Amino acid sequence: AQSVTQLGSHVSVSEGALVLLRCNYSSSVPPYLFWYVQYPNQGLQLLLKYTSAATLVKGINGFEAEFKKSETSFHLTKPSAHMSDAAEYFCAVSEPGNTGKLIFGQGTTLQVKP
Amino acid sequence: NAGVTQTPKFQVLKTGQSMTLQCAQDMNHEYMSWYRQDPGMGLRLIHYSVGAGITDQGEVPNGYNVSRSTTEDFPLRLLSAAPSQTSVYFCASSSLGSGKDYEQYFGPGTRLTVT
Repeated sequence: AQSVTQLGSHVSVSEGALVLLRCNYSSSVPPYLFWYVQYPNQGLQLLLKYTSAATLVKGINGFEAEFKKSETSFHLTKPSAHMSDAAEYFCAVSEPGNTGKLIFGQGTTLQVKP
Repeated sequence: NAGVTQTPKFQVLKTGQSMTLQCAQDMNHEYMSWYRQDPGMGLRLIHYSVGAGITDQGEVPNGYNVSRSTTEDFPLRLLSAAPSQTSVYFCASSSLGSGKDYEQYFGPGTRLTVT
């Protein structure tokens, strides 16, 4: 079965530092991949998605992610963290077979220190 | 477009009570789903639907019922609430079919407490 692993349930960075949130998936067939962000007491909002076009995907708020098939990874990065980036981030992958279902990782909480 | 809407935003139930969480979308999406979010456990799929009249179980369906009589609405019913159902519930929808990438659109959530 398809699965998603997010390494690190909590990541803490200083303001202005690089943000790196890790996501690995298990699939022999390249799926669709997503990163969602959840701010406190809100729903999930799409940050970016990979749909088999460019392997480097740019999203909102300066985030980007690179699809690496050989490593089955889709890590999320941002060159310079801002206080407003503090949130929970979820990686998700589409289930094979065109079911419409997404499989979500456990989430990573990003803390940004001043 | 309102997108995906959910009501109520907050609810407190006593053990054994029943209630329905409402979800509606105005994007003509075929796929709709319900998740629950608990600390450290990510999002877990409760039930989903790929069109009116078609529903199926997800990862954690016990204690919940759904129906899909229209494309727009997908209510989630708690039959007899238990403290273990204290959670935040999210409804999501997406397009299906050729050329679609299954991006899901989420509602704002319902925070449910069962005492």
